Amino acid sequence: ETGVTQSPTHLIKTRGQQVTLRCSSQSGHNTVSWYQQALGQGPQFIFQYYREEENGRGNFPPRFSGLQFPNYSSELNVNALELDDSALYLCASSLGLGTDAYEQYFGPGTRLTVT
Amino acid sequence: GQNIDQPTEMTATEGAIVQINCTYQTSGFNGLFWYQQHAGEAPTFLSYNVLDGLEEKGRFSSFLSRSKGYSYLLLKELQMKDSASYLCAVKNAGNMLTFGGGTRLMVKP
Repeated sequence: ETGVTQSPTHLIKTRGQQVTLRCSSQSGHNTVSWYQQALGQGPQFIFQYYREEENGRGNFPPRFSGLQFPNYSSELNVNALELDDSALYLCASSLGLGTDAYEQYFGPGTRLTVT
Repeated sequence: GQNIDQPTEMTATEGAIVQINCTYQTSGFNGLFWYQQHAGEAPTFLSYNVLDGLEEKGRFSSFLSRSKGYSYLLLKELQMKDSASYLCAVKNAGNMLTFGGGTRLMVKP
């Protein structure tokens, strides 16, 4: 059973640029959630995808967008990067949305630095 | 909306017991989670409570009181490797997690 993987590990971008982060969910998991974690803070929910459809969204502007593919891997796209977008971006996968599918497994994260 | 509060930092001695508290106010509740996160690493699952009471798992226990909007994580026989951030998170009906700011625990010899 493979765990959650994310790429790239680290990324440096310039303000105004666009970035795509990738996540492969754990084998058999059909739900992916994305979080932004600023240094010294808890993760903040960005959005969640369930079976290729967005299932919920946190308080992030539209320049944060995502996709989920038929194999349940996912992408997070951020346009018009701002300095405050510098953070650790975490994806987490889980099996379904029911109360039994409670545990979310986190990937190692992508550290994005915007200069 | 959701509001989750936990202390920012705690310090404890190796071999001792420490309790990390979490209070929450949410518009929907479908379980409370505790995660451990070492610096620069991903959060790892520690415990899950959906009903009131205590869940024990080795050196770690977690308690929930839904009527009080309160949980705690209890760590016994502290080890140096327990130095990490501990994250309290509440799940809403849509399986979405809202995290607190995390409690940074330092274990001293």
